[in-house]
Amino acid sequence: DTGVSQNPRHKITKRGQNVTFRCDPISEHNRLYWYRQTLGQGPEFLTYFQNEAQLEKSRLLSDRFSAERPKGSFSTLEIQRTEQGDSAMYLCASSSGTALNEKLFFGSGTQLSVL
Amino acid sequence: EDKVVQSPLSLVVHEGDTVTLNCSYEVTNFRSLLWYKQEKKAPTFLFMLTSSGIEKKSGRLSSILDKKELSSILNITATQTGDSAIYLCAVAVSSNSGYALNFGKGTSLLVTP
Repeated sequence: DTGVSQNPRHKITKRGQNVTFRCDPISEHNRLYWYRQTLGQGPEFLTYFQNEAQLEKSRLLSDRFSAERPKGSFSTLEIQRTEQGDSAMYLCASSSGTALNEKLFFGSGTQLSVL
Repeated sequence: EDKVVQSPLSLVVHEGDTVTLNCSYEVTNFRSLLWYKQEKKAPTFLFMLTSSGIEKKSGRLSSILDKKELSSILNITATQTGDSAIYLCAVAVSSNSGYALNFGKGTSLLVTP
């Protein structure tokens, strides 16, 4: 499969626990994005990497959230001390560094439920 | 603050009808406008528009951008039940580090048999 892969597909956790999600982008894509989507809303930008460098973070990304892309390939998004308000679909997307690089390819997301 | 507004938020039509979905935006450093279809989980790319007045077409779907009016429309002709989905409009804006996509809330389309 050459698409964007996200794991796990679903995560149920208790409030206060830490969770980590993984994203494997399309192999030749150097840009990787994390978005969050709640019911009835469009995806909201969280953060963006070009290769291993985290170039931009939304103000939505509180100190409890951290993202890494250590070798410029896969990325992880960790949420510490989860809160019920963190319940959402976390989408990862990637794009190439070519002229049409605004075209993002999305993964199927990780659905997080915080009880 | 950048804004992307879609209308209507939801729509129910009968198979065979034609629908028009709207997207308007107020952003700084506009780069392009994109349409995505979201059926279950992953939004899938439909169109990217950068130039005003040039229609992009793919089968029964078409889209056009009006930079003067800061808006875009997505048309679907002869709708089918498989067109039922959320249609997302996103605007790419340039920033110091590159760009990001700002999404609207989406239009939820239901096509009934």
